[in-house]
Amino acid sequence: EAEVAQSPRYKITEKSQAVAFWCDPISGHATLYWYRQILGQGPELLVQFQDESVVDDSQLPKDRFSAERLKGVDSTLKIQPAELGDSAMYLCASGGAGANVLTFGAGSRLTVL
Amino acid sequence: EDQVTQSPEALRLQEGESSSLNCSYTVSGLRGLFWYRQDPGKGPEFLFTLYSAGEEKEKERLKATLTKKESFLHITAPKPEDSATYLCAVQEKGGKLIFGQGTELSVKP
Repeated sequence: EAEVAQSPRYKITEKSQAVAFWCDPISGHATLYWYRQILGQGPELLVQFQDESVVDDSQLPKDRFSAERLKGVDSTLKIQPAELGDSAMYLCASGGAGANVLTFGAGSRLTVL
Repeated sequence: EDQVTQSPEALRLQEGESSSLNCSYTVSGLRGLFWYRQDPGKGPEFLFTLYSAGEEKEKERLKATLTKKESFLHITAPKPEDSATYLCAVQEKGGKLIFGQGTELSVKP
């Protein structure tokens, strides 16, 4: 069964450091999403890509967060500098053309000390 | 503003004790309502999509229903392995999902 791959699974960093997360969506899926999930809450959208283009980044804190999907396949989410409040699970999801169902990866758990 | 509210926040059941989880929503253009299951430390796993009021879908001990303002996830004779957080989400016209905060279900043997 096709899966969305994410790495690293766990990341511990100190505040003010830079961190990066990688996502490889299901092959052929044009739409890719990055969500942030704080413990005990539901996921919140950070950025949505259609192929290599950003469709929605209205909730992305652009002063410290950046996301790219250069070739329209895999994607990287970067945080620089990390703050204590960034501690959360970062989830990547992908969806196929015309398909409504999003498939999520296992997530990357970030702890900022 | 599109919004999804789930209740209760947490639910504890005995094995075999049936119950329901609620998801109420407001959205300007609903493309679909989704239920996901999330185990601790893992990503959400897709369960159901409902598109129109009156629609129902079933999978093992789970049954999801939809009205114009809310959805219910009915759990019949739950087992301990049904313990998880259940997330409800509405899909906007652009495709993104708006999630509720989830209901943490615990089923004790």
